[in-house]
Amino acid sequence: AQSVAQPEDQVNVAEGNPLTVKCTYSVSGNPYLFWYVQYPNRGLQFLLKYITGDNLVKGSYGFEAEFNKSQTSFHLKKPSALVSDSALYFCAVQNSGYALNFGKGTSLLVTP
Amino acid sequence: DSGVTQTPKHLITATGQRVTLRCSPRSGDLSVYWYQQSLDQGLQFLIQYYNGEERAKGNILERFSAQQFPDLHSELNLSSLELGDSALYFCASSGRTGNPNTEAFFGQGTRLTVV
Repeated sequence: AQSVAQPEDQVNVAEGNPLTVKCTYSVSGNPYLFWYVQYPNRGLQFLLKYITGDNLVKGSYGFEAEFNKSQTSFHLKKPSALVSDSALYFCAVQNSGYALNFGKGTSLLVTP
Repeated sequence: DSGVTQTPKHLITATGQRVTLRCSPRSGDLSVYWYQQSLDQGLQFLIQYYNGEERAKGNILERFSAQQFPDLHSELNLSSLELGDSALYFCASSGRTGNPNTEAFFGQGTRLTVV
């Protein structure tokens, strides 16, 4: 079964500092990996995806993610965090039927 | 705005009742997915429809059912409701280009409260 794990329930970072939200995956075959963000009382918004190609994927709002096959990881990163980045972040893997299997989510808190 | 519309936004109902949640996908998207988000279970995939046909099932209870109509809108029917069914139900759509590995766009969800 395709699955992802987000080992941190919460990540705290000061505004202006780099941020990393971790995700590891377990798949058979090639992984199709996604990051989504959820703001309070809102739906999920797509940030970026890895299908194939460059291991560094750039996405919306200045976010990027690094695909690492040897470590089976797909960590989300941003060089300089903003207070407005505070939200719930979900890593997901696409299963064979094209639906998404989500991690449990990581709450990101950026403090001024 | 994702282009995916879900109605109603909020729903409060009693145990044992039946409700219907509605989803209009993005224009041209052929796939519709339903997800349930709760504090204890997280985000769980329930069911997927593609161009009117059921494509895949996830952790959907037998009390729940869905369908996708010829105009591609979808409905999720929840019956014999229990307190534990209280959750945020999301609809997502994708598949406009025919490429299966595209991102899904999510609606803002329907918050169901069972009392």
